[in-house]
Amino acid sequence: AQSVTQLGSHVSVSEGALVLLRCNYSSSVPPYLFWYVQYPNQGLQLLLKYTSAATLVKGINGFEAEFKKSETSFHLTKPSAHMSDAAEYFCAVSGADDMRFGAGTRLTVKP
Amino acid sequence: EAEVAQSPRYKITEKSQAVAFWCDPISGHATLYWYRQILGQGPELLVQFQDESVVDDSQLPKDRFSAERLKGVDSTLKIQPAELGDSAMYLCASSDRPFLAGVGGELFFGEGSRLTVL
Repeated sequence: AQSVTQLGSHVSVSEGALVLLRCNYSSSVPPYLFWYVQYPNQGLQLLLKYTSAATLVKGINGFEAEFKKSETSFHLTKPSAHMSDAAEYFCAVSGADDMRFGAGTRLTVKP
Repeated sequence: EAEVAQSPRYKITEKSQAVAFWCDPISGHATLYWYRQILGQGPELLVQFQDESVVDDSQLPKDRFSAERLKGVDSTLKIQPAELGDSAMYLCASSDRPFLAGVGGELFFGEGSRLTVL
């Protein structure tokens, strides 16, 4: 069975600073990995996904993530944070059974 | 842009009452999922449908929860009787490809139904 662990339940950055949200995965089969964003009282919106093509994946809103098999990681980054990036971010992994989500990281952006 | 529709958005009920949530997936999506998201946690799968058939309901508390997708399109999730611990966001998602195919289909989520049990 697959799983993901998100390191850090809360991350706070200043506007314009680098955003780094960490995710490590565990999977017995080649994984498909996803990052979703959730704004208050809304559903989840896909930011980006890794499906075994390029290891550096670019998503919406300037986010990108790099798949590192040797480190079993799929960290999410954005060079310059914007106030509108404040939200909950979920890493997820899917295999042959279902999609498993991490516990989430709440990103706060300070002016 | 096609969306997953859910209703109601918010539901407040008393313990022991029955509640029901409705979901209409994106047209043509054969796979439908119900997730439960407790405040401060990630979503957890309750049930997965492929067309009208249940593929996985191993995490569904069957003594009080039921789900159906009779015509393979829209779906209803019911809780009877509701308990305090059922307070959560119930998310519906759909996909055009099932996980069993091993191709890692993307999930499209609705806005969710937030349940508060008093």
